Amino acid sequence: QSALTQPRSVSGSPGQSVTISCTGTSSDVGGYNFVSWYQQHPGKAPELMIYDVTKRPSGVPDRFSGSKSGNTASLTISGLQADDEADYYCCSYAGSYNLIFGGGTKLTVL
Amino acid sequence: EVQLVQSGAEVKKPGESLRISCKGSGYSFTNYWISWMRQMPGKGLEWMGRIDPTDSYTYYSPSFQGHVSISADKSINTAYLQWSSLKASDTAMYYCARLRATFPADYWGQGTLVTVSS
Repeated sequence: QSALTQPRSVSGSPGQSVTISCTGTSSDVGGYNFVSWYQQHPGKAPELMIYDVTKRPSGVPDRFSGSKSGNTASLTISGLQADDEADYYCCSYAGSYNLIFGGGTKLTVL
Repeated sequence: EVQLVQSGAEVKKPGESLRISCKGSGYSFTNYWISWMRQMPGKGLEWMGRIDPTDSYTYYSPSFQGHVSISADKSINTAYLQWSSLKASDTAMYYCARLRATFPADYWGQGTLVTVSS
């Protein structure tokens, strides 16, 4: 079972918006609305940012939003801030109680 | 406050056994699955498997089936990840996390670094 496909890196300037894609198949991303996104700063544990494709946990700024079209999910971060610089991982349910992560995307705030 | 507290870093030799732990507090431990994730040095997250603390039903990722064992003791709100014979390739950070009903991991442990070296 291969990891979901994410770009290795994206970048943007403060105040701009960036979108990170997460491509899977009809057996995972395309088959279920159970996609979540995690932010991981260096040396820290991951933090849940988006779940069920579009939902934000309490405390996550509304600058973070999620969407899905077909087999590709996306995380958009608007109004980029320096603290948004981190690694981002998508994760999808893949049936039979199985979960699968993306390879991760390094976001650089220029 | 929901917390998952993991056991401390371990340094082991190849072939040795190991069990690391993840203790939950601040919520009803049996109401949520616990999942384990691996992060090898400089690499991404990998889902290893999960356990239902209510009945200890486990499911493993095909990539980890047979290589690790996940268990739980609901009487002390603790989940475990265990190896019977470590390899150098098991060197990684291991995270536990609480899974909600639709599978997001909403609370994570601080991670346990396992180093396997002769």
